[in-house]
Amino acid sequence: DAKTTQPPSMDCAEGRAANLPCNHSTISGNEYVYWYRQIHSQGPQYIIHGLKNNETNEMASLIITEDRKSSTLILPHATLRDTAVYYCIVRSSNFGNEKLTFGTGTRLTIIP
Amino acid sequence: NAGVTQTPKFRVLKTGQSMTLLCAQDMNHEYMYWYRQDPGMGLRLIHYSVGEGTTAKGEVPDGYNVSRLKKQNFLLGLESAAPSQTSVYFCASSSPQRGLAYEQYFGPGTRLTVT
Repeated sequence: DAKTTQPPSMDCAEGRAANLPCNHSTISGNEYVYWYRQIHSQGPQYIIHGLKNNETNEMASLIITEDRKSSTLILPHATLRDTAVYYCIVRSSNFGNEKLTFGTGTRLTIIP
Repeated sequence: NAGVTQTPKFRVLKTGQSMTLLCAQDMNHEYMYWYRQDPGMGLRLIHYSVGEGTTAKGEVPDGYNVSRLKKQNFLLGLESAAPSQTSVYFCASSSPQRGLAYEQYFGPGTRLTVT
């Protein structure tokens, strides 16, 4: 699975959009981009995933560049409860490849 | 639905003792996983199972054994605990029926300290 690079920390003002970048320059054609977050040592929570098209759900939007070498997770109206560590993970869809490789993620702090 | 539950939530062991961590899920998921998370690090996969009666090694399997006798349960065993196994252990489950890309659902974690 391709490696990902994320900034170690970011701040965002409450009510503003939080944009979390992720680089995955070695991503291959069958690899998906996943985002999870971990709030204060709880179990990680799935947010969103995508292959090449932009995706949106009730939690966030995922923007993947056309060359797929980077992506951005957008939390449109950040709240204090969005303070967490956010993990960008790349994983192939091959059957039997079950591993999610977690890096150290981005620690997002929402400032009141 | 309770989702994924883990028992116990906390445990302190002495070096050489054994214990079993229990993970249970009520979502009828085929796949189950055990991860460990050390301070300041991401999660690392220990073992996983793609179905009842089957298990496979993950990234850091040494010192652990697992069993999947029932679809809803996945047990993680430490036969002889070592201080290096002090960590937070997370269980997860997922269902591949929804397609090739699918999310994992995580439990609340078990905090284990080995002295």
